[in-house]
Amino acid sequence: DVQLMESGGGLVQPGGSLRLSCAASGFTFSDYWMHWVRQAPGKGLVWVSRIKNDGSDTSYAGSVRGRFSISRDDAKNTLYLQMDSLRVEDTAVYYCGRGGLSGYIDHWGQGTLVTVSS
Amino acid sequence: EIVLTQSPGTLSLSPGERAILSCRASQSFGSSFLAWYQQKKGQAPRLLIYGATNRATGIPDRFSGSVSGTEFSLTISQLEPEDFAVYYCHQSGYSPITFGQGTRLEIK
Repeated sequence: DVQLMESGGGLVQPGGSLRLSCAASGFTFSDYWMHWVRQAPGKGLVWVSRIKNDGSDTSYAGSVRGRFSISRDDAKNTLYLQMDSLRVEDTAVYYCGRGGLSGYIDHWGQGTLVTVSS
Repeated sequence: EIVLTQSPGTLSLSPGERAILSCRASQSFGSSFLAWYQQKKGQAPRLLIYGATNRATGIPDRFSGSVSGTEFSLTISQLEPEDFAVYYCHQSGYSPITFGQGTRLEIK
């Protein structure tokens, strides 16, 4: 079974940093694009970032470009999201997801909550 | 940026009825890049439909997707109690990837 498990969320002050991790199992991690999607409390889904299966291509939502960085370690079957210069509006549950052939997300983790507050 | 506008915002129906959810795109993109997700309270989203019309693995055949130009629809033929949830459309044809704002399907 495909499993994705996020970790690394927590409470951080505005301007601070966090690194989220997503541990993958049950599939050949290096074959798949991977995504981060977030959901603020009571709000809808917002795509954050994606990375190509070989790590050679990344893209970001405008609201996080220049502050967040996506990466992967295929040897550890792990996806990362480095989040710097965090803002109150970055408060959300962050989900990692496995990318399907045409960019849809076919499996999702359970999410990790990031709270940015002073 | 492609904006996906979902309607209605909330749909109130009874079990056994048919639900039709709409997702309109602000510009054209390949229908291969349109997906639908279901999200129940406190849970992660679940893929229902990809490529506008293809059911994901394990999704019951009461769920179906269709497309006409830039208008996409998700139909649930006969609502079961477990279908009451929030539904999102999603496009991955143009960067940035975008989601619709969601349609809440509630029990009448």
